[in-house]
Parts: sequence; C-alpha cells; structure tokens
Amino acid sequence: NAGVTQTPKFQVLKTGQSMTLQCAQDMNHEYMSWYRQDPGMGLRLIHYSVGAGITDQGEVPNGYNVSRSTTEDFPLRLLSAAPSQTSVYFCASRLSGGGILETQYFGPGTRLLVL
Amino acid sequence: GENVEQHPSTLSVQEGDSAVIKCTYSDSASNYFPWYKQELGKGPQLIIDIRSNVGEKKDQRIAVTLNKTAKHFSLHITETQPEDSAVYFCAASTWTGFQKLVFGTGTRLLVSP
Repeated sequence: NAGVTQTPKFQVLKTGQSMTLQCAQDMNHEYMSWYRQDPGMGLRLIHYSVGAGITDQGEVPNGYNVSRSTTEDFPLRLLSAAPSQTSVYFCASRLSGGGILETQYFGPGTRLLVL
Repeated sequence: GENVEQHPSTLSVQEGDSAVIKCTYSDSASNYFPWYKQELGKGPQLIIDIRSNVGEKKDQRIAVTLNKTAKHFSLHITETQPEDSAVYFCAASTWTGFQKLVFGTGTRLLVSP
C-alpha cells in the first residue's frame, strides 16, 4: 500500500510552459484534492474531487485545471506557467468527502520553480 | 468563509520543555480540528485531531484542547525531543456540501538538545 504518490518531486519550468503534476492513491479514496504551500500562507486548496468525473474549485483555482477519470488518479495541469505559481504542491486524499470526519492523507509534494 | 489563525510562527524550546501552539477559528459551525506535522521535504502527516463534542484529547506526549465558546484550540507537546522539530499546522473543518479543511499558516518548532 503506497498511499498517496506524486511525480515529479521537483520541476523547473519557463514562463508560459505547460505541465501536468501527477497524483495517485491506492486506498480507494473517493475524495482527492490539490493544495499549494507558500511561505507564511499555509496550505491553500486549489481544486478537489469527490469522485470520478466530479471536480470543483477550491480557493485558488486560477491557472490550474484538473480532471478525474479514475478513482486512483487526479492530475493537476498548469496551462501556462507563471512565476506566481512557484510553490510546493501537495495532493491529498481521504475516504470520502461526505459527512464522515476522516483522516486526510498527503503525498510527499512536488516542488515547482517557474522562471 | 472559515479563517484560521495560528501562533506563534516560530517556537524554540529546550529538550524536555513543553511547547504550546494556539489556533483560533472564525466559523462557529466548524466541527473537526486536526493537527498535522510536516517534516522537512515531506508532506503533512496527521498527529492528532479533535471533534467539537470533545474538550480535550491526549495521545502520549501530545494533547489538544478545544474551547468552542472562545473558538480556539491548542496543541500541547510535553517532554519535547529533537525529533519533534518540524512545522505544525492546525486546521478547521467546515461543511460546504462536504468537509473542507482550512489550514493555519504553520508553526516552526525547533527543539534544541
């Protein structure tokens, strides 16, 4: 049981380039989400999904797209990278997004630098 | 929406001392308060959580207290050890059609031998 995995661990992009951050979980969790972590700002929710085929925006969604074609995978796409997107990105999952209060598990993170 | 404030931003203690990190939240409907520990280069890991119907919860050297009236909750670490050095995040969960976690800005704890 690998838990939540993320690739790549580190990436450097030039302004305007696009890329996809990969996230996968093997716990059969319905709920998955993406956060960005910036110094002094904690973890901010970018997008989330409560199941395959269902996604919605968090508090900082601009510049990012997501899709959820399978229960296991939840990729985050940067359409045209900007220096403001330099951050550490964490994927997280939990059993469901419903009324049950469950532990949320985080992946190891992807450190992104946009020049 | 929910807003979570966390203090202090950094905390230095000697090994064996106690450490206290405090958080306040704004939404009186919040009902779940987890604490996460993030070690260098790793993702946050849940260390303890508390539900709104409980005032205090302990797990060995760590404890969390909740004051619903004042809307604040705290993490207490006793007999600190160097391996407790990490960044700690509090969070509050509100219901917006699903349980959504709002995080504090983090506290960097340094435990010196």
